[in-house]
Amino acid sequence: QQQVKQSPQSLIVQKGGISIINCAYENTAFDYFPWYQQFPGKGPALLIAIRPDVSEKKEGRFTISFNKSAKQFSLHIMDSQPGDSATYFCAAGANFGNEKLTFGTGTRLTIIP
Amino acid sequence: GAVVSQHPSWVICKSGTSVKIECRSLDFQATTMFWYRQFPKQSLMLMATSNEGSKATYEQGVEKDKFLINHASLTLSTLTVTSAHPEDSSFYICSANVGESTSTDTQYFGPGTRLTVL
Repeated sequence: QQQVKQSPQSLIVQKGGISIINCAYENTAFDYFPWYQQFPGKGPALLIAIRPDVSEKKEGRFTISFNKSAKQFSLHIMDSQPGDSATYFCAAGANFGNEKLTFGTGTRLTIIP
Repeated sequence: GAVVSQHPSWVICKSGTSVKIECRSLDFQATTMFWYRQFPKQSLMLMATSNEGSKATYEQGVEKDKFLINHASLTLSTLTVTSAHPEDSSFYICSANVGESTSTDTQYFGPGTRLTVL
């Protein structure tokens, strides 16, 4: 019940396209859903996060869509750029992120010219 | 956003020695810090939750006597890998909570420490 399932494992998108990564969770106690971006040899950087009281959150080119009934959430990267090439992790936690996070398995995103 | 630092950024040690990794919240006080471990091309696995002034809570399968965690202040937590062996070689990452917040920016990660045990 603690798992967070992430797909796809890898994704290749053309520059300017939309990158979409999906996650699903099981634990209904989760109320905090962040996305992290990680470059090789670096720690994860918080990209955007959402709480279940809204169904969508947008920050610049990054949008989280959240479906509480389906227990799914996704990251959309609009106008994808080569600099977006990285590994993306979704995560979920309880108590609005003040407790431990359970991470998805990661998606390696490659943006090609 | 909030800044979390780790020291050292990388360390190489001989088998059997102990290594200490520091995690600091630079511009906020963190009542809770978390320690993760990440193997190449894998996800982050939580090792333990560290609360200031109390004993750490370890995840199942993590040896508490091997991975000693101390959270002596609201800005510093340390992870000591005791009697390190080659299988302990990994990327260790800490994170810290900015505390009760109405925003969604609550947990920030450090840059990680690459440990190589020869």
